[in-house]
Amino acid sequence: EVQLLESGGGLVQPGGSLRLSCAASGFTFSSYGMSWVRQAPGKGLEWVSAIRGSGGSTYYADSVKGRFTISRDSSKNTLYLQINSLRAEDTAVYYCAKDSRDSSSYYFDHWGQGTLVTVSS
Amino acid sequence: DIQMTQSPSSLSASVGDRVTITCRASQSISSYLNWYQQKPGKAPKLLVYGAFSLQSGVPSRFSGSGSGSDFTLTISSLQPEDFATYYCQQSYSTLYTFGQGTKLDIK
Repeated sequence: EVQLLESGGGLVQPGGSLRLSCAASGFTFSSYGMSWVRQAPGKGLEWVSAIRGSGGSTYYADSVKGRFTISRDSSKNTLYLQINSLRAEDTAVYYCAKDSRDSSSYYFDHWGQGTLVTVSS
Repeated sequence: DIQMTQSPSSLSASVGDRVTITCRASQSISSYLNWYQQKPGKAPKLLVYGAFSLQSGVPSRFSGSGSGSDFTLTISSLQPEDFATYYCQQSYSTLYTFGQGTKLDIK
């Protein structure tokens, strides 16, 4: 059974930093791309960042580029998101999601339960 | 970036109704379109991928159609557990983007 368990969220002051983690199990972690998706309170889903299975390629939404860094450690089956220079608008539940693909599509077939990041003074 | 626009933003319907949600992409995305269902306080759940392929375990009352830039999600006969928010998502570009969501509630 695929499981994704996020951690590392919390209350942080504007300008501060956090590192989110997503512990993965139940699949061959290094074979799959992974993404972070966030959801501000009462708002919709926003894709934040993605990383290929090999870790060689990373992608970011314009809203976080230069402040967020996605990485992975296949020896620990763990995905990370380093978030710096936090702003109030970064307040959200952050989900990790497992990428999957077939011959004609890419999609998120498993999601974690989310970790809440609150940016406030 | 590819923009995704869903309509309607909210919808009231009754158990047994047939419901259609529309998603339009700002450019052609072939069939790289996915649909998710989200209930309050829960993570999203994949319903349909590749525009029309039903994820394993998803009831057959859900169906997806479309290609290019116009897509639909149809629920053929609403059940009580279907009242939720639905999101489309494009995966044509790795800068994945979601629609703004359609909240489906009970009439």
